[in-house]
Amino acid sequence: QKEVEQDPGPLSVPEGAIVSLNCTYSNSAFQYFMWYRQYSRKGPELLMYTYSSGNKEDGRFTAQVDKSSKYISLFIRDSQPSDSATYLCASFTGGGNKLTFGTGTQLKVEL
Amino acid sequence: GAVVSQHPSWVICKSGTSVKIECRSLDFQATTMFWYRQFPKQSLMLMATSNEGSKATYEQGVEKDKFLINHASLTLSTLTVTSAHPEDSSFYICSARDPLDRSNQPQHFGDGTRLSIL
Repeated sequence: QKEVEQDPGPLSVPEGAIVSLNCTYSNSAFQYFMWYRQYSRKGPELLMYTYSSGNKEDGRFTAQVDKSSKYISLFIRDSQPSDSATYLCASFTGGGNKLTFGTGTQLKVEL
Repeated sequence: GAVVSQHPSWVICKSGTSVKIECRSLDFQATTMFWYRQFPKQSLMLMATSNEGSKATYEQGVEKDKFLINHASLTLSTLTVTSAHPEDSSFYICSARDPLDRSNQPQHFGDGTRLSIL
């Protein structure tokens, strides 16, 4: 079993839709949770960064972490074609900063 | 904000040659840098952790003699793929952590190097 599981998609939605992206993880020691956006042939770009359980909002993006169920979510409101990318969830314990990534979900927002 | 620069962005070379990839932290000093490999439609897999002034720590299954890492200064780490073969073709990405970043953001990523071995 991978430490971080993520549905690879692809996920296709119309412009303006609310997008829900999810990951599950198995390592109880994970304390920090991130969502990265990766455009084709580019490095990952940090979108959201949360510590422990709870919600965090930044503009159209909301990240949720539920440590009791080991579930990580990213919501994108009013999705735009420019949001089309691969979204990677990642976690780490906080000790050695070694990140563990999910496989990434490919998102396409269509006009 | 912190920027990590990676060079080259794309390299094509013949099988059997060695290829060097550079990773630089542009506005901070990074005692630790990380090297990842990403195959098409797959996630980033950590290859090794590069520590300034000491030997790199390789992940299980990564050949240290194949992938040579040098972290000679606080702003530069290099990955050399020795005697590259077509199966080494991949997207290589480096990252670095700014130890002075109070937000505790884990790592800042470069834009990757696409390596194609013919």
